[in-house]
Amino acid sequence: DIVMTQTPLSSPVTLGQPASISCRSSQSLVHSNGDTYLSWLQQRPGQPLRLLIYKISNRFSGVPDRFSGSGAGADFTLRISRVEAEDVGVYYCMQATQLITFGQGTRLEIK
Amino acid sequence: EVQLVESGGGLVKPGGSLRLSCAASGFTFTNVWMYWVRQAPGKGLEWVGRIKGKIDGGTTDYAAPVKGRFTISRDDSENTLYLQMNSLKTEDTAMYYCATCITAPGSFDSWGQGTLVTVSS
Repeated sequence: DIVMTQTPLSSPVTLGQPASISCRSSQSLVHSNGDTYLSWLQQRPGQPLRLLIYKISNRFSGVPDRFSGSGAGADFTLRISRVEAEDVGVYYCMQATQLITFGQGTRLEIK
Repeated sequence: EVQLVESGGGLVKPGGSLRLSCAASGFTFTNVWMYWVRQAPGKGLEWVGRIKGKIDGGTTDYAAPVKGRFTISRDDSENTLYLQMNSLKTEDTAMYYCATCITAPGSFDSWGQGTLVTVSS
């Protein structure tokens, strides 16, 4: 099974400042078809789970451009250019290259 | 608009059974792969299993902790996904979500609101 490891597990951030979350997989997420199925999800209190980024760096419909994804192989990053109050929540990376695995989640909070 | 609505959660004793449903609308259900994901109280997300669409054979895959106890099925005529849970354990206590991918390959772009399953004596 592919293991996904996120760091940090908690990230206190000042409003307006950037934030980044790392996600590493135990093996390459490059699928046999050449795509890399690494996505990022957001879970805000009282809200449904929300897709932010798919296939490493593709922003999903309606997601603000302050969210961006990057990486390759087994090393990936979610960046928020300027954190807003509504960004508070838990962020998960997810791989779908080999079945499905989630990272442990990173709690983003405001300092 | 894509909608996934779970139901069927509740309180059940260890060793008991429960069947969850997920009613889908807003997309063509038949050939879409459907998934169950759970989240124990205060914990992260855990993949439970999936069922492929009709065109891909409708086969299922399960996570190790539920294999042999849980069964995923679908009724394409009713646009409904099911999760039959047998031999329930206290560690199966969680919010159960159905999810799928409609437009964003290799991701879950659509989620239900979840249904809570509590396994306790």
